[in-house]
Amino acid sequence: GAVVSQHPSRVICKSGTSVKIECRSLDFQATTMFWYRQFPKQSLMLMATSNEGSKATYEQGVEKDKFLINHASLTLSTLTVTSAHPEDSSFYICSASRASGAPSYNEQFFGPGTRLTVL
Amino acid sequence: GNSVTQMEGPVTLSEEAFLTINCTYTATGYPSLFWYVQYPGEGLQLLLKATKADDKGSNKGFEATYRKETTSFHLEKGSVQVSDSAVYFCALSMDSSASKIIFGSGTRLSIRP
Repeated sequence: GAVVSQHPSRVICKSGTSVKIECRSLDFQATTMFWYRQFPKQSLMLMATSNEGSKATYEQGVEKDKFLINHASLTLSTLTVTSAHPEDSSFYICSASRASGAPSYNEQFFGPGTRLTVL
Repeated sequence: GNSVTQMEGPVTLSEEAFLTINCTYTATGYPSLFWYVQYPGEGLQLLLKATKADDKGSNKGFEATYRKETTSFHLEKGSVQVSDSAVYFCALSMDSSASKIIFGSGTRLSIRP
């Protein structure tokens, strides 16, 4: 159990377009989902935390209007990179955690990541 | 601020060799420490964790001991297998809900048959 999927796994887009990445918890309800960004040979950097039904909390330095996060259900969160530019090219990883009190509630389960390339 | 530093890879070993991947941390307070593993094409998986000083986390033959005096959490395995080839991330969290995890940069491990 505790499987998280991401779609697409890889996307290439033109500069100025918007790209949506989906993160799904396949076999559990995820009350909290996290979005990370990873540059080559660097750490995963937390971008934002989202709780189902409420607005996402963004980390310092992350543009809310640039990276739109929606967590409309207990199994789905989306990250939309708006008006993408080459500097947004990166590896985006989501994770999900269960509700407080559920088994392993304080563990994050990670998706396989989405590689975004902006031309 | 809080941070994690781990040895750069790639690390290449022969099967059955002894593995050590070094990890040190900087934190104000008493963090929980983690090792995550990412196999090719998959998401990160929690490999082991330790929540207080002198705790030893272990799983699948891997071990790491929380050393407060040296602020370290080195990952070890006595005899590696080809199937251990992956990227390993050391990480810390300052809260029990693990809502904010700070990751090291990852170490790629390749095991030769």
